[in-house]
Amino acid sequence: GNSVTQMEGPVTLSEEAFLTINCTYTATGYPSLFWYVQYPGEGLQLLLKATKADDKGSNKGFEATYRKETTSFHLEKGSVQVSDSAVYFCALLSGGSNYKLTFGKGTLLTVNP
Amino acid sequence: EAQVTQNPRYLITVTGKKLTVTCSQNMNHEYMSWYRQDPGLGLRQIYYSMNVEVTDKGDVPEGYKVSRKEKRNFPLILESPSPNQTSLYFCASSQEPLQPQHFGDGTRLSIL
Repeated sequence: GNSVTQMEGPVTLSEEAFLTINCTYTATGYPSLFWYVQYPGEGLQLLLKATKADDKGSNKGFEATYRKETTSFHLEKGSVQVSDSAVYFCALLSGGSNYKLTFGKGTLLTVNP
Repeated sequence: EAQVTQNPRYLITVTGKKLTVTCSQNMNHEYMSWYRQDPGLGLRQIYYSMNVEVTDKGDVPEGYKVSRKEKRNFPLILESPSPNQTSLYFCASSQEPLQPQHFGDGTRLSIL
């Protein structure tokens, strides 16, 4: 079946530091890949997505590239802010899996001023 | 404003007392789904619905029921709640199954 593995947290950074959160996946077919963000007390929000190999998703300074050869979709940001503190989830969506999102376990990011 | 609305946001109840968590979306979305979020496990799908009157099991359906009588509503029913159903629940919807899903703000259930 499908699965997503993302780096364990928590991750603590200082403001303006570089962020990488690793995500790798196992899936049948050609899944779409997503990063969702969950701010404290809120639901999940779509951060970015990529639907095919070599696509780069980007939003709010975050980027991730769909790498089929390494089955990866790592999240990066060049300079984090305190307001980026949240839980980040990598997820995949494949038509062969009852159309359900398969999530990683989430990575808690804390950015200190 | 486009949104997915869940009610209640918080509920503490006792074992065996039937409860319903409502979910409503105002985006005319076809696809709706329920997830539960547990520490260290991420989000797991409970049930999903491709359209009105079409529902199916996700990864962890035991102890839950759903219905989809109208396109906008997708309630989650716990007929006889047990403590292992204490969790944070999210409803989500999308126009089509392969489109990104919009999430509600969550319902925190505590079953004593």
